[in-house]
Amino acid sequence: KQEVTQIPAALSVPEGENLVLNCSFTDSAIYNLQWFRQDPGKGLTSLLLIQSSQREQTSGRLNASLDKSSGRSTLYIAASQPGDSATYLCAVGPDNQGGKLIFGQGTELSVKP
Amino acid sequence: NAGVTQTPKFQVLKTGQSMTLQCAQDMNHNSMYWYRQDPGMGLRLIYYSASEGTTDKGEVPNGYNVSRLNKREFSLRLESAAPSQTSVYFCASSEAILSGRAGSWTDTQYFGPGTRLTVL
Repeated sequence: KQEVTQIPAALSVPEGENLVLNCSFTDSAIYNLQWFRQDPGKGLTSLLLIQSSQREQTSGRLNASLDKSSGRSTLYIAASQPGDSATYLCAVGPDNQGGKLIFGQGTELSVKP
Repeated sequence: NAGVTQTPKFQVLKTGQSMTLQCAQDMNHNSMYWYRQDPGMGLRLIYYSASEGTTDKGEVPNGYNVSRLNKREFSLRLESAAPSQTSVYFCASSEAILSGRAGSWTDTQYFGPGTRLTVL
């Protein structure tokens, strides 16, 4: 059974710091991996999607990498800002039917001014 | 373009009561999903619908039923609510898009704002 783990559960950093969020999964046979952002009391917003054949994706200050063989993905946030404070979730697509996702528990990020 | 909408936003039920959570999307997506989010558990898939007229169980389907009314709407019904169903419920939709020479699929999911349900 595919399991997705995110460590740490919470992270607090000063503004301007570069940081890395980690995601690991137990079964390397994935279709894709997505990173989402969730603000308190809100729904999820997709940040980056990496196909299984890709190694990384970039959007602005965000860079996500994927290493299927080791079952790991990282989300790199450059020059963090207080507006980046949110919960970040990773999710893997276990197959190419129906777009089902298996989520990690998330990392709650706080960026202090 | 509203994206994915959910009603109601909040609901309090007594044990044994029934209710239906509504979800609609205006992006012409084929696939729709219902998740629940609980503290420390992340999001877990309840049911999904890969296309109009089809539904399948996810990870935690017990105590729920779904209806894919048409391509736009996907409802979740609790027939006899239990305190264990207290949670935040999210609806999502997606469309797999074949792109690139290698034929890779893009399948970003778009989420609604959620329904906060409390069962007393």
